[in-house]
Amino acid sequence: DTEVTQTPKHLVMGMTNKKSLKCEQHMGHRAMYWYKQKAKKPPELMFVYSYEKLSINESVPSRFSPECPNSSLLNLHLHALQPEDSALYLCASSQGSVATNEKLFFGSGTQLSVL
Amino acid sequence: RKEVEQDPGPFNVPEGATVAFNCTYSNSASQSFFWYRQDCRKEPKLLMSVYSSGNEDGRFTAQLNRASQYISLLIRDSKLSDSATYLCVVNRKSYYGQNFVFGPGTRLSVLP
Repeated sequence: DTEVTQTPKHLVMGMTNKKSLKCEQHMGHRAMYWYKQKAKKPPELMFVYSYEKLSINESVPSRFSPECPNSSLLNLHLHALQPEDSALYLCASSQGSVATNEKLFFGSGTQLSVL
Repeated sequence: RKEVEQDPGPFNVPEGATVAFNCTYSNSASQSFFWYRQDCRKEPKLLMSVYSSGNEDGRFTAQLNRASQYISLLIRDSKLSDSATYLCVVNRKSYYGQNFVFGPGTRLSVLP
């Protein structure tokens, strides 16, 4: 069972809605990630937070807004999404140390459908 | 060219078969390497890390060749439960932090 918890598991929203995806981990990890995964494709990195600071933003449209309120929580705020944004959104965490053997642990994801 | 490439698949093999997956990466600054498995509509789960000396975990053996920038995964005595997509993952740590890059995945179906 994953120690990274994501809510909700499923979300259907209209293009004018505002919603948020939530992610929580209690492993003491200091790096947290958002990935987007379309069907039959690998996960694509969206954002990385390291020690609660946004360290990587992979040119994600501004309709996706990440937030890291503390070291255990990661949110993804959604506004004015398009149908092509429908995908599985995965949160992940890693230790965030300088070690080279960091491992990535995923939550079970939020399956998002934009109508 | 993608940073991480894998055999396109899918691989359809009978139970008990041995199957090998290949992966290559282009960024020589890559530091750590992994195989993840992903079941349909589930999250990726770490299968094993890959070390230069090669490592084994039960029926699974992983190899890394840094000079050739090549990673492999061997599954012996395939089980039905091995059916999944296998993702090669490379981590290149940069100034900005850890960056785990995923290959496109290779789908395996083990048939009875």
